[in-house]
Amino acid sequence: RKEVEQDPGPFNVPEGATVAFNCTYSNSASQSFFWYRQDCRKEPKLLMSVYSSGNEDGRFTAQLNRASQYISLLIRDSKLSDSATYLCVVNTFRTGNMLTFGGGTRLMVKP
Amino acid sequence: GAVVSQHPSWVICKSGTSVKIECRSLDFQATTMFWYRQFPKQSLMLMATSNEGSKATYEQGVEKDKFLINHASLTLSTLTVTSAHPEDSSFYICSASVTSGGELFFGEGSRLTVL
Repeated sequence: RKEVEQDPGPFNVPEGATVAFNCTYSNSASQSFFWYRQDCRKEPKLLMSVYSSGNEDGRFTAQLNRASQYISLLIRDSKLSDSATYLCVVNTFRTGNMLTFGGGTRLMVKP
Repeated sequence: GAVVSQHPSWVICKSGTSVKIECRSLDFQATTMFWYRQFPKQSLMLMATSNEGSKATYEQGVEKDKFLINHASLTLSTLTVTSAHPEDSSFYICSASVTSGGELFFGEGSRLTVL
């Protein structure tokens, strides 16, 4: 079983739609969680950290469920520019600041 | 945010040659940097953790003699792919954080094509 699992997609949604991604992680000792965004042939960039209480940043909402060991990302009012691959990232602090990446979920927002 | 720069962005080389990729933290000191590899349509896979002034820590399955890592200063880590072969063609990305456990900043990545 992979340490961090995501549905690879692609998720094809129209502009303005709401879309949600889930991610599960296997290590219950994991302490930090992030969503990164990666555009084609580019490096990943931090979208948002995920806090236990849940957090929101504009159209983006992230939730953490420690009991079930999953993380979610909700995108409201999708824009064409949201098309990208979204990476679920978990830090287990096995050796310092080492992150484990999920396989990514590809989102395509269409006009 | 902090800036991490990689060079070169693109490199094409013949099979059997060695290629060096540089990763620099431009506005902060990084005692630890990370090297990842990403094949098409796959996620980033950690190759090794580069520690300033000491040996790198390699992930299982990554050949340390093939992927030489040198972290000679607090702002520079290099990855050398020795005797590159076509199967080494990939997107190599480095990252570093300002503080331990903090946000990781990524270099722009280096796309290696071995002919």
